[in-house]
This record gives sequence, structure tokens and C-alpha cells, in this order.
Amino acid sequence: AQTVTQSQPEMSVQEAETVTLSCTYDTSESDYYLFWYKQPPSRQMILVIRQEAYKQQNATENRFSVNFQKAAKSFSLKISDSQLGDAAMYFCAYRRRTGTASKLTFGTGTRLQVTL
Amino acid sequence: DAGVIQSPRHEVTEMGQEVTLRCKPISGHNSLFWYRQTMMRGLELLIYFNNNVPIDDSGMPEDRFSAKMPNASFSTLKIQPSEPRDSAVYFCASSLAEDQPQHFGDGTRLSIL
Repeated sequence: AQTVTQSQPEMSVQEAETVTLSCTYDTSESDYYLFWYKQPPSRQMILVIRQEAYKQQNATENRFSVNFQKAAKSFSLKISDSQLGDAAMYFCAYRRRTGTASKLTFGTGTRLQVTL
Repeated sequence: DAGVIQSPRHEVTEMGQEVTLRCKPISGHNSLFWYRQTMMRGLELLIYFNNNVPIDDSGMPEDRFSAKMPNASFSTLKIQPSEPRDSAVYFCASSLAEDQPQHFGDGTRLSIL
């Protein structure tokens, strides 16, 4: 079974600074997707970024980028130029690419605080 | 474009009552997912449908839970009878296809007294 581990329950960053959230996962599959979702206090789950395991290039979306290390099974999220609106719970998630096992397996989340 | 629409946003009811949660996926999306979020267990998949057919219901906790998708634009998750331990936030998500990103609704916060 696949597992996703987020070892940082809480992180804090000052506005305009950079922060990195950690995620590791365990799988025997070679083809899969990894995601970061953001959940602000409004409770909505928002897709931040997606990485396909077969791609060596790290995904980027504006101020958000990932460091995907397939051999180490590591998938960290870097937020640059942090803004107050980035404060939220961040969930790392895994999903198989093949077959019908489309479910997302989530980590336990990291609560990010952004301070002035 | 409208996102995934869930109703109600909040539900408070007494144990033993039947609860029905509703979801309207994004138009054109073929896959629909029901997740539950609790402090103890985090986010976990309950069931998902592809083209209105249940594919994986291994996450449904027990027979008190049932889900249906009578057509491509509507799904329900029913709990009967409800128990206090069912209190959680229930999310519905949809995706264009099984291998496409999942888009979540705003969730239903369910409180069973």
C-alpha cells in the first residue's frame, strides 16, 4: 500500500521569504502522480501543483515549485516570496497513474503560518 | 465555469437520523470521488465512480454508508443511521478522467449529536 508522510505538522515563514515543505512517500509503482493541495480556513481543497513521476523536470507554478527526487521518494514544495494568503494547510498526495486505482492518498498535512 | 457543488454546506442532526449529502460534479467530468476528513484519520477516500459506475468502495466504513450516482451530474452519499463518530467534513471531487487532476467542492461539515 502507498503511504505519504509529512513530517512537519507546522511551519512558519515571514512574508516575502521562502519556505520549503517536506513530503516523502512509499510505493512500489514506477508510474504515478504527486500533488500538493492547499486548504485555507475556508476549507476548500485547492490544487497547487502536480508532478508526473516519469518527468525528470520539476514542476513549477508561479511562486510554487517542487523538488522531486524519485530515487529518494521525496517531493518537497517550495513557496517563494510568501504572501499572507499562502497561510493554509498543505497536503501532499499520491496517485497511481495506471489502472483504475485513481484514489488520492494524502499525507497528514503541514500548517503554514505567514507572519509580517 | 462552476466548480464542484456540494450541499448542504453544514448539517447538524441527531444520532440515528438519516443524512444525505449531495454533489454536482463539474460538467463533462467522468470521475467522481467522495472523501472524508477527520482530525484522527485525515483525508481518506470513501468511494469513487467512473462514468456513473462505482469502481472502488473499499473505503466505505460500513453498511450504514451508501453512495449512488444516478446520472453524470449528480451523486449522493447517505448515512443511515448516523452516529456521532460520523462527524467529519465530507468532500466530493470530480475529474475529467481517472488520470486527470481532481477538483474538490467546498465540503459538507457534518455534526452528529
